[in-house]
Amino acid sequence: EAQVTQNPRYLITVTGKKLTVTCSQNMNHEYMSWYRQDPGLGLRQIYYSMNVEVTDKGDVPEGYKVSRKEKRNFPLILESPSPNQTSLYFCASTALANYNEQFFGPGTRLTVL
Amino acid sequence: AQSVTQPDIHITVSEGASLELRCNYSYGATPYLFWYVQSPGQGLQLLLKYFSGDTLVQGIKGFEAEFKRSQSSFNLRKPSVHWSDAAEYFCAVGPAGTGTASKLTFGTGTRLQVTL
Repeated sequence: EAQVTQNPRYLITVTGKKLTVTCSQNMNHEYMSWYRQDPGLGLRQIYYSMNVEVTDKGDVPEGYKVSRKEKRNFPLILESPSPNQTSLYFCASTALANYNEQFFGPGTRLTVL
Repeated sequence: AQSVTQPDIHITVSEGASLELRCNYSYGATPYLFWYVQSPGQGLQLLLKYFSGDTLVQGIKGFEAEFKRSQSSFNLRKPSVHWSDAAEYFCAVGPAGTGTASKLTFGTGTRLQVTL
């Protein structure tokens, strides 16, 4: 089954404790992206990657890092989480030949205390 | 800069009634337009998309949308709503063309409530 998976689905942590949210897709898509969803703000792009070792900032990259060492994986790293990063996070992927039709993961709900 | 406006934050309709969710966009070039649905606790699922050609596009679950370039709109419609349609709906716009950076800009969403 074609899918985008994220782990963990739920995470509660404390300020300053480094964490990683994993994202993996099995569709051989070149493009992957991270979004955060906040009430009243919709989805905002954090980082995206056009292919292995190619990443770039989205609209709200501050406080986040990403890496793309393999085509299927695109982890989101919070080196020192803060309460304003409490949010619902989505990973998405698409084939560059696929007219921007993005496939989304199930989401990770992060709470930073 | 590109932007998407969904003017209705929350809409309530009765089961069986028709539905129209509004979406207006601002984009400097030919856009690709999308509607996604998010059921409670779920990720986003693509309902339909518009790239070119016929301005009335059909999607899954009986939804359709009409692209009106003169009004910069891409409204979502359904003739008869089912209780299972209760969800949040997002309109999105992205750059036309393949092989390019696939940045999508989303609206803030419209939450649909369906009464029985």
